[in-house]
Amino acid sequence: NAGVMQNPRHLVRRRGQEARLRCSPMKGHSHVYWYRQLPEEGLKFMVYLQKENIIDESGMPKERFSAEFPKEGPSILRIQQVVRGDSAAYFCASSLTVSGANVLTFGAGSRLTVL
Amino acid sequence: GQNIDQPTEMTATEGAIVQINCTYQTSGFNGLFWYQQHAGEAPTFLSYNVLDGLEEKGRFSSFLSRSKGYSYLLLKELQMKDSASYLCAVRVISNDYKLSFGAGTTVTVRA
Repeated sequence: NAGVMQNPRHLVRRRGQEARLRCSPMKGHSHVYWYRQLPEEGLKFMVYLQKENIIDESGMPKERFSAEFPKEGPSILRIQQVVRGDSAAYFCASSLTVSGANVLTFGAGSRLTVL
Repeated sequence: GQNIDQPTEMTATEGAIVQINCTYQTSGFNGLFWYQQHAGEAPTFLSYNVLDGLEEKGRFSSFLSRSKGYSYLLLKELQMKDSASYLCAVRVISNDYKLSFGAGTTVTVRA
């Protein structure tokens, strides 16, 4: 029973390039969440998606960042025209349900380094 | 937003006990979580408290006082593998799918 799978685990980009981070939730989970962890800081909520729907993107920067969770395939977090400040670990989590004593299962993260 | 504070670092000896405190300020409190995160790995769920009191799970226990906005994670009989970052996170009623995390406490266990 595979957990939450994220790839790539490490990604290096130069300023101005695009970064695409992929997340496959646990089997049977239809709720996906993206969090960002900057150095020396806590995990910060970015976006919550269900299949084909963005439910809450209040934590996403207004520009350059987008997320999707298509009917088929993994969820994608896309960062256009990356800058050095985007260097961080990006974690995806999934859950079976959205409410109650809901426990998030996190992936191992994608570590983005912007040169 | 939520203001969540926990110590940055703690060091303890193998076999000892360590208590990691977490204080929070929030409205509409709907639960407090503790996660463990080893370097370069995924955060993994340790415990969940929504009512006052102590939850015990093997060597790990978590306590919550809602009136004081305070929780602690107690690690007993420390092992080297317990060296990790411990993350305190709070959930509120208005957005019960969203966790607000503290910056984490790095625990180093020494022989």
